Amino acid sequence: EPEVTQTPSHQVTQMGQEVILRCVPISNHLYFYWYRQILGQKVEFLVSFYNNEISEKSEIFDDQFSVERPDGSNFTLKIRSTKLEDSAMYFCASRGDRGQGGELFFGEGSRLTVL
Amino acid sequence: AQSVTQLGSHVSVSEGALVLLRCNYSSSVPPYLFWYVQYPNQGLQLLLKYTSAATLVKGINGFEAEFKKSETSFHLTKPSAHMRDAAEYFCAVSAIFGNEKLTFGTGTRLTIIP
Repeated sequence: EPEVTQTPSHQVTQMGQEVILRCVPISNHLYFYWYRQILGQKVEFLVSFYNNEISEKSEIFDDQFSVERPDGSNFTLKIRSTKLEDSAMYFCASRGDRGQGGELFFGEGSRLTVL
Repeated sequence: AQSVTQLGSHVSVSEGALVLLRCNYSSSVPPYLFWYVQYPNQGLQLLLKYTSAATLVKGINGFEAEFKKSETSFHLTKPSAHMRDAAEYFCAVSAIFGNEKLTFGTGTRLTIIP
């Protein structure tokens, strides 16, 4: 069964450092998302991406964050200068055409710990 | 705008007992509704989804949910709980039209008592 894969599974970084989280969505999917879950809290939407541009972003997704799809297969989330409050589990998700009923397929997540 | 409210951040049931996890939604447009499960240290797995077809939806692992428009509810049930059902359960809503991003509830942690 096709799946969304994320790397790394866990990354520890120092405050102020840049972090790149990588995702390989399901190959024929067109819509891509990043969500995050701070420990003990709900899953929050960060950004959605379609046709090589951001289609929507939340207020969490400030100038420190960026996304790109550099090579047609990977979908990356970059945090330019990490803060302590960026510590969270980051989930990538992808979706096919609208006709597939809106189901998002999630990866296993990348846990980011900022010290 | 859309939102979901999950009543009860923690629910405990005995093994073999009925599981009922509550979800109420708010949506200005016809919604899609989902239940996702998260086992410890794992990602989100889709349990079931409502996409405007049958109002009673059956999912994996014996779970089902009923869409009730009049009550704006989408409660998750399972007739007989099993130890392996212990997990965090998230209700989510998206619009049929537009970006279709998911908006999640705060989650319900289900504990199964042996």
